[in-house]
Amino acid sequence: AQSVAQPEDQVNVAEGNPLTVKCTYSVSGNPYLFWYVQYPNRGLQFLLKYITGDNLVKGSYGFEAEFNKSQTSFHLKKPSALVSDSALYFCAVRDSTDAGNMLTFGGGTRLMVKP
Amino acid sequence: DSGVTQTPKHLITATGQRVTLRCSPRSGDLSVYWYQQSLDQGLQFLIQYYNGEERAKGNILERFSAQQFPDLHSELNLSSLELGDSALYFCASRYPGTSNEQFFGPGTRLTVL
Repeated sequence: AQSVAQPEDQVNVAEGNPLTVKCTYSVSGNPYLFWYVQYPNRGLQFLLKYITGDNLVKGSYGFEAEFNKSQTSFHLKKPSALVSDSALYFCAVRDSTDAGNMLTFGGGTRLMVKP
Repeated sequence: DSGVTQTPKHLITATGQRVTLRCSPRSGDLSVYWYQQSLDQGLQFLIQYYNGEERAKGNILERFSAQQFPDLHSELNLSSLELGDSALYFCASRYPGTSNEQFFGPGTRLTVL
C-alpha cells in the first residue's frame, strides 16, 4: 500500500521569505511524486512531478521540489514567497509498478503568505 | 484552465435522492478518475476508467457508480444520498503513459439537505 504524509496542516511565511512545504511518502516500488495546488473554489492544478533523474525538480510559478530517497521525502520549496502563493498544497504519490496509475494524496497543507 | 470540464458546478438536493455528475476529459486523454473531497476525509480516490473500462476502485460506496462512454466522457451516479455525501467531487483525466500527471476539473459541489 502507498501513503503520503504532510505533517503540517498550515505553514505561515512572510512575503519574500523562502518557503518549504513538507511531504514524506511510502511505496513498495519506485515512487512517482507530484505536487498540486488548490485555490479557493477551484480544482487542483498540477505544479511539478518527479519521475526519475535529477533529484531537484523545477515546476510552475517558481516552485521546485527535492526528491530524497533515503528520507523518502519530496519537499516543495520556493526561494521567495508571494502573497498570491497562499493556497492549499497537496503532495501525491504513485507506485511506478501500479498499472492502474492510482494517486494517493496527502492531507494537504495550507500555505499562508503574509505581506 | 485544465481542459477538463465538469457539470454542474453546484448541486443542491435532498436526502434519499439520486444525482448524476458529468465529466469531459481533455482531448486525447483516455483515463478518467473520480475523487471526493470533504473536510473530514480529505481527497479520496473513488474510481478510475480507462477507454470505457473500469480500471481501479478506491473507497467508493455501493450507492455510487460510474461509467465512461464511447466518447470518453464519464458520469458519476450517486444514489440514496445522505447528509455525509455533501462534498466536492472532482474528476481528473490523464493521457496514456505511465509517468503522465492527472489534470483536474473545477469540481462539482454537492450539498445534501
